[in-house]
This record gives sequence, structure tokens and C-alpha cells, in this order.
Amino acid sequence: AQKITQTQPGMFVQEKEAVTLDCTYDTSDPSYGLFWYKQPSSGEMIFLIYQGSYDQQNATEGRYSLNFQKARKSANLVISASQLGDSAMYFCAMNGYSTLTFGKGTMLLVSP
Amino acid sequence: DTGVSQDPRHKITKRGQNVTFRCDPISEHNRLYWYRQTLGQGPEFLTYFQNEAQLEKSRLLSDRFSAERPKGSFSTLEIQRTEQGDSAMYLCASSSGLESYNEQFFGPGTRLTVL
Repeated sequence: AQKITQTQPGMFVQEKEAVTLDCTYDTSDPSYGLFWYKQPSSGEMIFLIYQGSYDQQNATEGRYSLNFQKARKSANLVISASQLGDSAMYFCAMNGYSTLTFGKGTMLLVSP
Repeated sequence: DTGVSQDPRHKITKRGQNVTFRCDPISEHNRLYWYRQTLGQGPEFLTYFQNEAQLEKSRLLSDRFSAERPKGSFSTLEIQRTEQGDSAMYLCASSSGLESYNEQFFGPGTRLTVL
């Protein structure tokens, strides 16, 4: 079975600062993918970034980067230069054969 | 807009009533997923279709829940004899299955409140 753990219920950051959201995972599958989604108050899940278990380099997408440490089974999301619009719930997820397993999420609040 | 759409966005019903939700995936996507999200939790997988075939169902999908995708396009999720514990956000997602990582695109969700 797959499991995603997000230990930070909430995080606060000031605008323009960087923030790291933690994610650890557990799986027995040799091949897997890790995702981060953003969920604003409107409810829609917005895909941010993906990291494959065999990818040699950490994934980056604009201001988002994924700090992937395979031996530690962690896949932390780093948001650089936070913006007010980054305030939302953030979910880490792992894909199985066909579905996604999500963590409980971290609420990020960006202050001016 | 060619994203995933869901209808209705909100539904309030009384305990014991039946409800049905609709999901229209991105048109070229052959995979469709239903998830349920309760307050303070991440989405939990319910069921998955490839074209019209329902390939996987979670143990969360009790006998009161049924999902269909009759022509491999839109899908419906029906809950019979609703209970207060069914109150949640029901999310639909679709994917093409072509990318190596099978990115899923989510709709805005249907928020169900059972009184």
C-alpha cells in the first residue's frame, strides 16, 4: 500500500520569501511518481509539479521545485519568491497503477 | 473552456434521498476518475474508468454508490439513500494516459451536504 505523510498542517510565509512544504512517502513499488497539487478556496485541484522515481534531477516548474531525496523517501515542495496568490492548500500525491494517493495537505498563508 | 466540468457545483439533500452528479472530462481523455474529499483531508480515490469500462473501485465505494460512463465520454456518480457521512466534495478528474506520468486534470468538484 502507498502512503503519503504531510506533517505540517499550516505554514506562514511573508511575500517574496521562499517556503518548503514537507512530504514523505512510503511504497513498495520500484517505480512511482510524486505530484504536488494546489487547491485554492474555490476547490479545484491544480497540478504544479511531477517527479518520477527514476528521474536523475529534481523537477522544476517556474517558481516551484521539488527536493527529491529517494533514500529518505521525501519529496518536499519549494516555492521561491512567494506571492499572495500562493495562499492555498497544497497536497502531495503518489501515483499507483492508475490512481493517486494524497496526503492530508498543508495550508499555506502568504502575508504581505 | 475545455477543462473538466462538473454539475452541479453544490447539492443539499435530506438524508435518505438519492443524488446524481455528472462529470464531463476533457474531450480527448479516455481515463476518468472519481475522488471524495472530506473536510481536512486529501482526496480519496473512489473509482476509475478507461473509456466505458470501470476498471477499479475503492472499498470506499459502498453498495449505495454507483458510477457509470456509458459511452466513454461523460460520467455519472449516483449515491442512493444518502447518509450524513456522505457529505463531502466529490471530485472528478481525467487523463489521456499518454504521458509517462499520467497527469490527472481535476474539475471544480461537487460539494454535497446531507442534512
